[in-house]
Order: sequence, then structure tokens, then C-alpha cells
Amino acid sequence: DTGVSQNPRHKITKRGQNVTFRCDPISEHNRLYWYRQTLGQGPEFLTYFQNEAQLEKSRLLSDRFSAERPKGSFSTLEIQRTEQGDSAMYLCASSSDSRGETQYFGPGTRLLVL
Amino acid sequence: AQSVTQLGSHVSVSEGALVLLRCNYSSSVPPYLFWYVQYPNQGLQLLLKYTSAATLVKGINGFEAEFKKSETSFHLTKPSAHMSDAAEYFCAVSAGLGKLIFGQGTELSVKP
Repeated sequence: DTGVSQNPRHKITKRGQNVTFRCDPISEHNRLYWYRQTLGQGPEFLTYFQNEAQLEKSRLLSDRFSAERPKGSFSTLEIQRTEQGDSAMYLCASSSDSRGETQYFGPGTRLLVL
Repeated sequence: AQSVTQLGSHVSVSEGALVLLRCNYSSSVPPYLFWYVQYPNQGLQLLLKYTSAATLVKGINGFEAEFKKSETSFHLTKPSAHMSDAAEYFCAVSAGLGKLIFGQGTELSVKP
């Protein structure tokens, strides 16, 4: 197990289409995070899972966004009816169970909405 | 509430010169602080972290940072810059349930 993986790495879509991203965390990590990063900015927290339970959602996560982590393994982030403002890098990270534990980031999925 | 401010969105140094990237934090609880580096079109890689042990933290690639509670700072330094250090650097604070609050980032350029 070499780290956090994300697929696809790049996605171009037309406004109004739905997209889904996948994140595979480091296998022994219970915690999984999604962040969004726009150009020239730091990553912003979107949502967080402890095993299969989604414990926190940012106000950035509008009703068009949904995330799941079935069976506490991989996670998916779906965006419905995409808008141009959704264009960003979507980053996934995982960590073990304690506060202060290192979050290991995947390479990200870059979304471009035309 | 936790927050992070990185002073200077862009820092340029000559190869071999001292690197100093500034980070100030705000936290209502004892903070856990992190520095990450991001190369173009890649995810974030941890450089170092402070979790209330030693105030001087050593990281990878010759970087270190000092936690100063009185100044609410966690500045990143490296004695001698290398061309391969050119990247975007992010300071972050851990905020409840482990989520990270990031600063806006500092782009480091290294001139030959």
C-alpha cells in the first residue's frame, strides 16, 4: 500500500452534468477527509468520515454535493448539476484516529467545468 | 475558532540563501500545527508538524520550524535553499475532529 489514490486525476465536464470522484485511503486509516482547492488558495475542508460515518460537513458543501464511504473503505464525492464555480482541485486525505495525526493526501482530481 | 495567516504570498530567494516562510495562527485550544509542501499538479506532502512536544521541530529536506506561543507563530526555515525547494508551502492548524485549516499558501521561488 503506497498511499492515498484518487481517480480520475482530471475531469472535464459541461455545466449541468454530474461527476463522481473516488478516493482510496491508506488501508489502516479510519479517518477520511475531502478538501477543495481553487487556484492560488489553500485547501478548504469539505467533509470528514470516521469509518463509514460522515461526521462533519462544511457549509461549502451545497445540496449538489454528496459524499459516501460505504463499509468505511473507499469514498466517493459526487457533484450534481455542475457549475463553473465548481472548477477546482478536489483533494482526499486519510489519517489514523488521533488528533494531531498526520493527514496523508492523494494527488487530487482536477475538475474543469465548461 | 482556528485560523492561519501566511505572510507573503510569494517569496524569492537565491540558491544557498536562508529560507524563511512566515505563519501565524489563532487557536482557542492548544494547537497542532503543520507545514505541507505542494509541487505543481500534485497533492500535499507533510514537511513537519508540531504536536506539543519540542518547540523546535525538524522535518524533511532540511526544513525546521519553531513554535512560539507568545508570538502565535510557527515560521518555517531552511538554512540553505536548493532549486528543488521551489514549490507552494502551506501552514495549517488542526481544528476539532482533526480537520485542517490551511493558510493561503506561500509560493517559494529559488533563483540560481
